[in-house]
Formats: sequence, C-alpha cells, structure tokens
Amino acid sequence: QKEVEQDPGPLSVPEGAIVSLNCTYSNSAFQYFMWYRQYSRKGPELLMYTYSSGNKEDGRFTAQVDKSSKYISLFIRDSQPSDSATYLCAIPYTGTASKLTFGTGTRLQVTL
Amino acid sequence: DVKVTQSSRYLVKRTGEKVFLECVQDMDHENMFWYRQDPGLGLRLIYFSYDVKMKEKGDIPEGYSVSREKKERFSLILESASTNQTSMYLCASSLQLNTEAFFGQGTRLTVV
Repeated sequence: QKEVEQDPGPLSVPEGAIVSLNCTYSNSAFQYFMWYRQYSRKGPELLMYTYSSGNKEDGRFTAQVDKSSKYISLFIRDSQPSDSATYLCAIPYTGTASKLTFGTGTRLQVTL
Repeated sequence: DVKVTQSSRYLVKRTGEKVFLECVQDMDHENMFWYRQDPGLGLRLIYFSYDVKMKEKGDIPEGYSVSREKKERFSLILESASTNQTSMYLCASSLQLNTEAFFGQGTRLTVV
C-alpha cells in the first residue's frame, strides 16, 4: 500500500463550483499535512498546511483532516479558471527518516 | 522573493550521453532535493543533500548521482542517459528535511 494515495483525475468542473480534492494515507502517526498547487510547466508551490485536528480556512480554500479515516481534503469554494492546476497532498515524516512524501496529484480544470 | 533556479527549462540529449542538471537556491537552506515527476507516478525523490558534500539516496537513485560542493548549488548527473529517464526533473530546497519545500520551475528532459 502506498503511503499517500490520491486520485489523479482529471477533474473538470464549471466556474463557481465547489471542488473537493482528497488524499488517503496509511500511517496513523502522521500529524501534519500540506497541500501544494502546481500550474502547468511550473514547480509546485505550498498552498496550505494543516495539523491533525480540525479545519483550516484561507480565503476560498479549506483544508480538512479526518484522522479516524486517514483522509485529508482540500475544498475550493467559488472555483475560478485560475484554480486550474494540479493539486498535490504532502505529508512530512519525522524522526530519523525525515522527508516529505507526496501524493501523485489531482489535475483540476475549471471551465467557463 | 525566495528562489530556486534550475539551469535549463528544456533539454534534449542522446542515449548514452552524460547529462548535468544544475540547481541554485538563494535561501541559505541546508537541504536540497532532486525529484522526477511522471504522469500517474507523481513526484519521486531521487537524491537529497542535508549539507555540503553530504548526500542520501532517495526512492529511485539508480542511474543518477549528485554533487553538492557549495551550499547553494546541487547538481544531478545522469551518468549515461537512457530513454526511460525522459521526465520532468524538479529541484527543491527546504530549511528542514520535512518542512516546506521550495521548488524550481523544472527541467523537461527528453532522451532520444
């Protein structure tokens, strides 16, 4: 089983829709989660990070963690064509094997 | 503005050639990374370095080597390029191994 799993999409939604992007993870010890956004022909950039409890909101974006299901979500309200990108979840490992582990990314297309 | 700069956006090389991909960061970060990104496989870590002249294998180091002679510069070397190394290569740096990674714009390498 992969450590982080993410549906690759593509996901196509009309402008103004609410978008839900999701990842599942295998290790219940993970405490801290990140979402990166990657525009076409660019490197990924950190969009949001969240700890293991509750939601975190930043403008039209909300990151949510469900530790009991090992499920993390990124919601985008009032989606815009400029949100068209690939969204990657990332989970930091701690301890002697510190690293970031990325999901495969979900490609989102917001159409006019 | 923080910056990770990769020397080339696009490269075309012949099978068997030795290929150098260069990356420079201006954030004084200790840690630097090389990933490759392929459709359906996401970001896969090739090598990383946590200090000058120090390097560690990532998940897919075979066919690659790295060099870090100066803190700000991390080079990826393909000793003898093969067609299965055609990919998008992304360099990143971070303050700690499991904190926010800042990515370059990527190098799309085609091996023919």
